[in-house]
Amino acid sequence: KAGVTQTPRYLIKTRGQQVTLSCSPISGHRSVSWYQQTPGQGLQFLFEYFSETQRNKGNFPGRFSGRQFSNSRSEMNVSTLELGDSALYLCASSLVRTGGFQETQYFGPGTRLLVL
Amino acid sequence: SQQGEEDPQALSIQEGENATMNCSYKTSINNLQWYRQNSGRGLVHLILIRSNEREKHSGRLRVTLDTSKKSSSLLITASRAADTASYFCATESYGQNFVFGPGTRLSVLP
Repeated sequence: KAGVTQTPRYLIKTRGQQVTLSCSPISGHRSVSWYQQTPGQGLQFLFEYFSETQRNKGNFPGRFSGRQFSNSRSEMNVSTLELGDSALYLCASSLVRTGGFQETQYFGPGTRLLVL
Repeated sequence: SQQGEEDPQALSIQEGENATMNCSYKTSINNLQWYRQNSGRGLVHLILIRSNEREKHSGRLRVTLDTSKKSSSLLITASRAADTASYFCATESYGQNFVFGPGTRLSVLP
């Protein structure tokens, strides 16, 4: 099975612009989660989508949004970029088992975003 | 809120030695997992231990879980230079998203 893929891998934007990142999960996985990773804050949860619905959301401003399509592919969008949005954005997919637990998450290689 | 907290933050050992990392968490969990991340890349799942398990092994990895102390440890035996990476614990609780700790940076010196 192909792993989780993320596009693009690298991105340079300027303050005020917006950006859209894409994630294709492992075939059969219906849950997709997004994380922001920075040296100072570590891995922070952004949101999780399951069957096109947002199941959980982290503590990020409304500039961060996401969606999931019927084929489970997901996108996240950041509007009005700030310097502090520079980070590695990681996507992870998983099966959702009985009881709603994801158990193992499989991560993509990430998109490194630099905001100038 | 941050749930998993790894200890130590950084660890430097010689090849062949064992490396032990600890993780503490705050609330009841369904399972706890350990992940490895090589510099600037995605995380790789290492091992999952459920709340009703006390110990699991996978190759050179041994994970323990003490739910009464809300803590877990990851032991890597006979470490290799290729084990150099950051190691994260993550907890999953019902209805909650995964919570990752800040990680332990392991350096294995040849």
